Amino acid sequence: AQSVAQPEDQVNVAEGNPLTVKCTYSVSGNPYLFWYVQYPNRGLQFLLKYITGDNLVKGSYGFEAEFNKSQTSFHLKKPSALVSDSALYFCAVRDGDYKLSFGAGTTVTVRA
Amino acid sequence: DAGVIQSPRHEVTEMGQEVTLRCKPISGHDYLFWYRQTMMRGLELLIYFNNNVPIDDSGMPEDRFSAKMPNASFSTLKIQPSEPRDSAVYFCASSTGGEQYFGPGTRLTVT
Repeated sequence: AQSVAQPEDQVNVAEGNPLTVKCTYSVSGNPYLFWYVQYPNRGLQFLLKYITGDNLVKGSYGFEAEFNKSQTSFHLKKPSALVSDSALYFCAVRDGDYKLSFGAGTTVTVRA
Repeated sequence: DAGVIQSPRHEVTEMGQEVTLRCKPISGHDYLFWYRQTMMRGLELLIYFNNNVPIDDSGMPEDRFSAKMPNASFSTLKIQPSEPRDSAVYFCASSTGGEQYFGPGTRLTVT
């Protein structure tokens, strides 16, 4: 079965500093990977996806993610974090039958 | 596009009552998913449909839960009878097979 793991429950950074949210995956076959963000009392919002191609994927709100096959990782990054980036972030992997398996989530806090 | 629409946004009910949650997917999306989110269990997939047909309901907790999709633009998730442990945020999402787009959720409180 496909799965993802987010090893950090929380990430704290200062505004303007780089932000990294970690995700590792376990799949049989080619991985289809996704990042979502959830703001308080809101639904999950799609940020970006990796299907194939370039290992660096660019997404919404200045986020990008780096796919690393040898390390089975798909870390989310932002060069300069904003206070408004404070939210809950989910990594997900798609099963062959179109279901998504989500990680437990990482709470990001960006302090001013 | 209006995105995925869910109603009601909040529902408070007493144990034993029937609860019906509603979802309108994005037009043209042929996959519809129902999730439940709690602090203890995180985000759980309950059931999903493809072209209005239920494909996988293995995540439905028990027989008290049922879901229908009578047409491409409407789905319901029903809990009968409801119990306090059903208190959670229920999300509907739709897709064309790739990324899923989520609705704002229904916060259900069963007292």
